[in-house]
Amino acid sequence: EAGVAQSPRYKIIEKRQSVAFWCNPISGHATLYWYQQILGQGPKLLIQFQNNGVVDDSQLPKDRFSAERLKGVDSTLKIQPAKLEDSAVYLCASSLDFGGEQFFGPGTRLTVL
Amino acid sequence: AQSVTQPDIHITVSEGASLELRCNYSYGATPYLFWYVQSPGQGLQLLLKYFSGDTLVQGIKGFEAEFKRSQSSFNLRKPSVHWSDAAEYFCAVGAREYGNKLVFGAGTILRVKS
Repeated sequence: EAGVAQSPRYKIIEKRQSVAFWCNPISGHATLYWYQQILGQGPKLLIQFQNNGVVDDSQLPKDRFSAERLKGVDSTLKIQPAKLEDSAVYLCASSLDFGGEQFFGPGTRLTVL
Repeated sequence: AQSVTQPDIHITVSEGASLELRCNYSYGATPYLFWYVQSPGQGLQLLLKYFSGDTLVQGIKGFEAEFKRSQSSFNLRKPSVHWSDAAEYFCAVGAREYGNKLVFGAGTILRVKS
C-alpha cells in the first residue's frame, strides 16, 4: 500500500513570495490533515478535511494560508505571502475515516529567507 | 486548554539499557493517547495508542506505554534499546469531544550510545 505522498520535499523562498505544497493521501482515506512543525516543537494542526469539506481550520492563519481538497482526494496548501516565521516542516496526514489512525507523509521543509 | 508536556528535550541511553520517556497531559475530556516516532527527514510513525481498556499498551518495535489516569501520564518504555531507536519521539492526545484533533508534545530526542 502506497503511503502519503508530498511534494516538494524542500523549498526555499524569500519573504513575501508565495508557495504551494501538494499532498496525495492514501487511497480511500476520507480524512486529510495538514500540520505545521516548527523546529523544536511538535506538529500543530492547521486544517482538517473530511472528503472535500473542512472540519477544522481554527488554527489556520487565514490571512495568508489557504488549503483546498478538490474532489476529496489530493490537497494543496498555499502560503501567500510568506513570512520568516512560516519556516517549518509541513506535514500531511490521512486517515481512513474521522478519528482513525493518522498516517503521515515525509513532509515539506520550507525555509523563508 | 489541552496540552501535552514532554519534560525531557534530550535523553541519552546506552545500547541495551532500558528506556522511559515521560509524557503528561492536561485535557478536559477522556483522552485518546498516542506515541509517534520521527526519524530525520521522515514522517511520523505510530508506535502505539491507547483508547480504552487495559492501561498497559503494547506497540511496535518492542515499545510499551502505561496510562495512569491519576497522574495524567502516558510514559513510553522499552526494556532494551537498540541503536536504531535513535530518533525523536512525540506524545499526542486527542478526544472525541474535540473532534479527535491531535495535540502533540514538543518531542524528546533519543540518542543511543554504543
